[in-house]
Amino acid sequence: QLVLTQSPSASASLGASVKLTCTLSSGHSNYAIAWHQQQPEKGPRYLMKVTSDGSHTKGDGIPDRFSGSSSGAERYLTISSLQSEDEADYYCQTWGTGFRVFGGGTKLTVL
Amino acid sequence: EVQLVESGGGLVQPGGSLRLSCAASGFTFSSYEMNWVRQAPGKGLEWVSYITRSSSTIYYADSVKGRFTISRDNAKNSLYLQMNSLRVEDSAVYYCAREMIGGGDLLDSWGQGTLVTVSS
Repeated sequence: QLVLTQSPSASASLGASVKLTCTLSSGHSNYAIAWHQQQPEKGPRYLMKVTSDGSHTKGDGIPDRFSGSSSGAERYLTISSLQSEDEADYYCQTWGTGFRVFGGGTKLTVL
Repeated sequence: EVQLVESGGGLVQPGGSLRLSCAASGFTFSSYEMNWVRQAPGKGLEWVSYITRSSSTIYYADSVKGRFTISRDNAKNSLYLQMNSLRVEDSAVYYCAREMIGGGDLLDSWGQGTLVTVSS
């Protein structure tokens, strides 16, 4: 069964860096994922695609502060030089035959 | 600029029906597969349904199968979701979302959402 696991919450200080993790369930470590950001009271926004080899393809207008990487079944989203507007929920997403699936989301607090 | 604009949400009683629409602009709608995704109040994102470019293949989440129908009109650049036999647990913001081309079945654009409230 294809499941994406994310920590419910994370926090980091203004100007610091944070690395969010999305873990693919067993047997699915070669899947690519997408990261999406949802700021308070807004719709989601596509950030980037991250593949199993660690390459990432960002959406239009996504700042260089956002980057993606991989290790095994884990897909990462790193945000550097944190700004107040980065405080948001972050979701990973992938797909299986006949369905799409989201992780439970990580709520990022910028201190 | 890619734009997806949902409409049609509102308050409906349990057992009622509602039809959501998503108007697409800024890209060649007929070239993209599309999805509906929902988000219950205070909850995470939940995938609802998917449709291919020609409507030849359609998928639904188990939670809505048999009650919801996805469709599209490429001539009108529009995506639809017909929701019947609505339940309280269907209350959510409904988003239409585009899938990227050639990048796997990953979503790369979202609308702003339309709120559906199912309550007596």
